[in-house]
Amino acid sequence: AQKITQTQPGMFVQEKEAVTLDCTYDTSDPSYGLFWYKQPSSGEMIFLIYQGSYDQQNATEGRYSLNFQKARKSANLVISASQLGDSAMYFCAMREGNRDDKIIFGKGTRLHILP
Amino acid sequence: DAGVIQSPRHEVTEMGQEVTLRCKPISGHDYLFWYRQTMMRGLELLIYFNNNVPIDDSGMPEDRFSAKMPNASFSTLKIQPSEPRDSAVYFCASRTTRQGTGELFFGEGSRLTVL
Repeated sequence: AQKITQTQPGMFVQEKEAVTLDCTYDTSDPSYGLFWYKQPSSGEMIFLIYQGSYDQQNATEGRYSLNFQKARKSANLVISASQLGDSAMYFCAMREGNRDDKIIFGKGTRLHILP
Repeated sequence: DAGVIQSPRHEVTEMGQEVTLRCKPISGHDYLFWYRQTMMRGLELLIYFNNNVPIDDSGMPEDRFSAKMPNASFSTLKIQPSEPRDSAVYFCASRTTRQGTGELFFGEGSRLTVL
C-alpha cells in the first residue's frame, strides 16, 4: 500500500505566484518525520524542509513552508513568490519512527514556473 | 566536508554482464540507503543499512541484486546478471540520527543503461 501520495503529477504556475504542492501520508506510528526534496533537471536531490510529528509549529525555511495538518495526515509544501529556478521535480518523503527508520518517497510532482 | 560519493556516474553495459555500483557515505553517518529511480516507478527504496548492518532489503527486486557494506565508509550494489529493465538511476544516500533533522544526503547518482 502506498504510504506517501502526491496527487499532482504536474503543475504550471506563473512566476511570482505562490505554489502549494500536495502530500498525504499514511502511518499508524505516532512518531514520524516528513521531508521535502527538490530534484532539478540536473538530477541531484536537494533537501528543502523537515517536519517532525511532534513539532508544534509548521516548519519554514526561507521561501519554503510546510502546511502540516496532522489530523488530515497532510504535509503540503508551500513555495512563496515562485521563481524560474523553482522549476523542478518535488518529492515528499516520510520516516516512520519505528525501529527500522525506513524513509520512503512519493511519486513526485513536476513543477513548471512560467515567465 | 565531502558529500556522498558514488561511482561510476554513468555505466553502459550489455545484458548479462555484472554491474557494481559503489558508494562512500558521509563520514560519521550511521545510515546508508540505496534507491532506484525510474520514470515509471519513481524513487524506490532497495535496501538500507544501520551501522553497516542491512536492516531491510525487502525492496531489492530479485536475487540478481545484492548489496554489501563491509565498513562504515563503503557500500556496493551489485547486479548479476543485468537486464535491460534494470536501466535506471541508482542513488546512494546517507544520514545521521545524532544531530539535525536526520535528512538524507544524496550522492549524484549512477545512471545505468543495460543494452
